Amino acid sequence: SYVLTQAPSVSVAPGKTARITCGGDNIGIRSVHWYQQKPGQAPVLVIYNDKDRPSGIPERFSGSNSGNTATLTIARVEAGDEADYYCQVWDSNTDYRVFGEGTQLTV
Amino acid sequence: EVQLVESGGGLAQSGGSLRLSCAVSGFTFSNYEMNWVRQAPGKGLEWLSYISSGGRSIYYGDSVKGRFTISRDNSENSLYLQMNSLRADDTAIYYCVRGGGINLPFDTWGQGTLVTVSS
Repeated sequence: SYVLTQAPSVSVAPGKTARITCGGDNIGIRSVHWYQQKPGQAPVLVIYNDKDRPSGIPERFSGSNSGNTATLTIARVEAGDEADYYCQVWDSNTDYRVFGEGTQLTV
Repeated sequence: EVQLVESGGGLAQSGGSLRLSCAVSGFTFSNYEMNWVRQAPGKGLEWLSYISSGGRSIYYGDSVKGRFTISRDNSENSLYLQMNSLRADDTAIYYCVRGGGINLPFDTWGQGTLVTVSS
């Protein structure tokens, strides 16, 4: 089945830009969604369809997707952005919904 | 306010069964696709199962296929997960999740219910 690859951890200083990547075979043709999960909480959708933000998500969160890599970008990172971030796609070959392994963002 | 509230979690014996429920409110349940997603302690998210809005299309992930059964009752605004032949590696928080259709995101998550399977 389709595999999504994420780095286990990313570290960024406050006020800087964090980039979290999600690798997959020709992922650029798929719709990628991103979720934020803070400790002890349920995940929250932060980006859908590669680059769209749900209402209530700050404009600092953006997404892109091309080739074999999708990227979640968080500008002007704040301490409150510290969380695990997961990418997710629908696999048309199996009808499975697939998650990446997650990236822990440390601020 | 959209709400998804899971219940039915707890301690089960290896080889035993549990039935999870998810009560929803704040939206027209019968219009939405639903899923179950779990998270083992210290691990990532794992999609388990999908059910279409009317219940006619159902899919399962490999780890639960043949053991778990998803269902819904649109008249009761409820989603269910019947879990049989439980194993220790089924120990996890189980989330009820809205959405997840073709190329669509999981847009709303419940708070989850903890299932612990003892061997």
